Amino acid sequence: GAGVSQSPSNKVTEKGKDVELRCDPISGHTALYWYRQSLGQGLEFLIYFQGNSAPDKSGLPSDRFSAERTGGSVSTLTIQRTQQEDSAVYLCASSPPLASGRGYEQYFGPGTRLTVT
Amino acid sequence: AQSVTQPDIHITVSEGASLELRCNYSYGATPYLFWYVQSPGQGLQLLLKYFSGDTLVQGIKGFEAEFKRSQSSFNLRKPSVHWSDAAEYFCAVGAGGATNKLIFGTGTLLAVQP
Repeated sequence: GAGVSQSPSNKVTEKGKDVELRCDPISGHTALYWYRQSLGQGLEFLIYFQGNSAPDKSGLPSDRFSAERTGGSVSTLTIQRTQQEDSAVYLCASSPPLASGRGYEQYFGPGTRLTVT
Repeated sequence: AQSVTQPDIHITVSEGASLELRCNYSYGATPYLFWYVQSPGQGLQLLLKYFSGDTLVQGIKGFEAEFKRSQSSFNLRKPSVHWSDAAEYFCAVGAGGATNKLIFGTGTLLAVQP
């Protein structure tokens, strides 16, 4: 079946501009995660959504970062007033329901490479 | 706090040789452990996982890993490496709780010599 998809695959933006990154999880998956992969920081958790519960935003690095998940499916990560240190690959992952017995497995999309100039 | 250490940043092996990638974790309870592989320009692909039970787990592409609680290790092995295995390998521990976010190691870049 279809995996996690992300768009765009690459985004170049000027410092100070806002960007939106999109994630389409695997159909039927209830949990959705955003991670950031950068040379200096490695792979780090950003935010987690599970069904209709309040998201876990504990990994967001600043208030310039926000994310929403509409209808329990598609998610958008928004970075306002981008800075050069925001340059990274942003990865989205989704997980099946816990009741499936595989709820702790995360399946990743191909990522969006963000470059802030 | 949970953490994962991958002591080898870069490993080179010859095609057909055996492979072992090291991973040590720090976690207070029985961990959920994972190995992922990332090819250039690609996302992360789940190779295998350990939740409980048999400490030797089998994964895709001929990989296996052994959970050793006494050593806090979860090393990845493959008996015979193929050129297509060249990639970056990440060990991760699930943080558990309501989120189960993954804590990743810094990765090991594998090169395969012909």
